[in-house]
Amino acid sequence: DTGVSQDPRHKITKRGQNVTFRCDPISEHNRLYWYRQTLGQGPEFLTYFQNEAQLEKSRLLSDRFSAERPKGSFSTLEIQRTEQGDSAMYLCASSLGGGDEQYFGPGTRLTVT
Amino acid sequence: GNSVTQMEGPVTLSEEAFLTINCTYTATGYPSLFWYVQYPGEGLQLLLKATKADDKGSNKGFEATYRKETTSFHLEKGSVQVSDSAVYFCALSERNFGNEKLTFGTGTRLTIIP
Repeated sequence: DTGVSQDPRHKITKRGQNVTFRCDPISEHNRLYWYRQTLGQGPEFLTYFQNEAQLEKSRLLSDRFSAERPKGSFSTLEIQRTEQGDSAMYLCASSLGGGDEQYFGPGTRLTVT
Repeated sequence: GNSVTQMEGPVTLSEEAFLTINCTYTATGYPSLFWYVQYPGEGLQLLLKATKADDKGSNKGFEATYRKETTSFHLEKGSVQVSDSAVYFCALSERNFGNEKLTFGTGTRLTIIP
């Protein structure tokens, strides 16, 4: 399977702990997006990379969140000092270029207890 | 800012019934419009899209027409099947310096009963 992959698929953590998620986009896709989806809602945009450059961050992305995409390949999303409100599905998507379909990964479901 | 308003669910239909899921949008420019589908246990998949006014997107028997005058992109299917049971999301994107981030509606859960 050469689709977008995300790891882990599920993460349970205690409030105050740090967590890191990984996304591997489809190879050669230079655009990578992170979204967050809470129960009963549609996905909401968090941040966007073109190659290794992070070009836009949503206001939803507080200072506790950081994302990287070293070398323009895989990406990581880290949440520091997790809060219960961070519990959600974190989705990654990639696309080849302008006007192209975004392909979504299966998501990482985070539960903060 | 941009927003998408979608028909609230859940929607339950009998097999072979006609389906309409309403979607309207607000955007500052000229967005592209999409319907994504999420089958149980699977990730989001693009169902169909339209990039300019009066375009019709179609796939797997589903259709939606980009109506600029009514800012709508309603999803229709003439005869639904049990396998169409899923959550459907309407979305838009506007290019901003290469960022084509998607703005989604809240989703409509569709259940088809035999």
